[in-house]
Amino acid sequence: NAGVTQTPKFQVLKTGQSMTLQCAQDMNHNSMYWYRQDPGMGLRLIYYSASEGTTDKGEVPNGYNVSRLNKREFSLRLESAAPSQTSVYFCASSEGTRNTEAFFGQGTRLTVV
Amino acid sequence: KNQVEQSPQSLIILEGKNCTLQCNYTVSPFSNLRWYKQDTGRGPVSLTIMTFSENTKSNGRYTATLDADTKQSSLHITASQLSDSASYICVVRAWGGNTNAGKSTFGDGTTLTVKP
Repeated sequence: NAGVTQTPKFQVLKTGQSMTLQCAQDMNHNSMYWYRQDPGMGLRLIYYSASEGTTDKGEVPNGYNVSRLNKREFSLRLESAAPSQTSVYFCASSEGTRNTEAFFGQGTRLTVV
Repeated sequence: KNQVEQSPQSLIILEGKNCTLQCNYTVSPFSNLRWYKQDTGRGPVSLTIMTFSENTKSNGRYTATLDADTKQSSLHITASQLSDSASYICVVRAWGGNTNAGKSTFGDGTTLTVKP
């Protein structure tokens, strides 16, 4: 009963380093999303994938890239990490129809020093 | 600009008491409104989803109301428990697209603390 699994849970990067956050869901959902959550702010959408093979920018895409590897997996890449990217990152998935709920992973806490 | 405002920002209540959290939005055209519960260090978990035609929806001790005319929603928690301590997030989706998130606006959340 895994749902949405994110790895890693914690990560510390130096400015300029790159890394990829992994996300996998086992609910056969069509749509997947990446959000960031900063203290005192609501979740903000970085990128989403409405279905396998498609990706679209969200509200705050700059500095990030994504790959929808297959229906299960959706990764988020930071090519050159900056301190402003210190945040908690959440992956989510949903069936894709507008009135269905989204299921979230447990988050990745990323610190860029 | 689509906005979702939640109040209060934080709330402390005693175990067993009731409380009501508020959500006002300016998202248009309206598609649906969702309430999520987010425990510290965890991802959000859906409590309710309400569409335009729904005024009230319950999930155990949680009851959400929606007034689409005034663009207001509330989440009422009855007989609070220590496990209700969490952040409660209101999310409003605008019409358009076929995903949940392409046009969703998140509130900043209300942090609820239930004390024994």
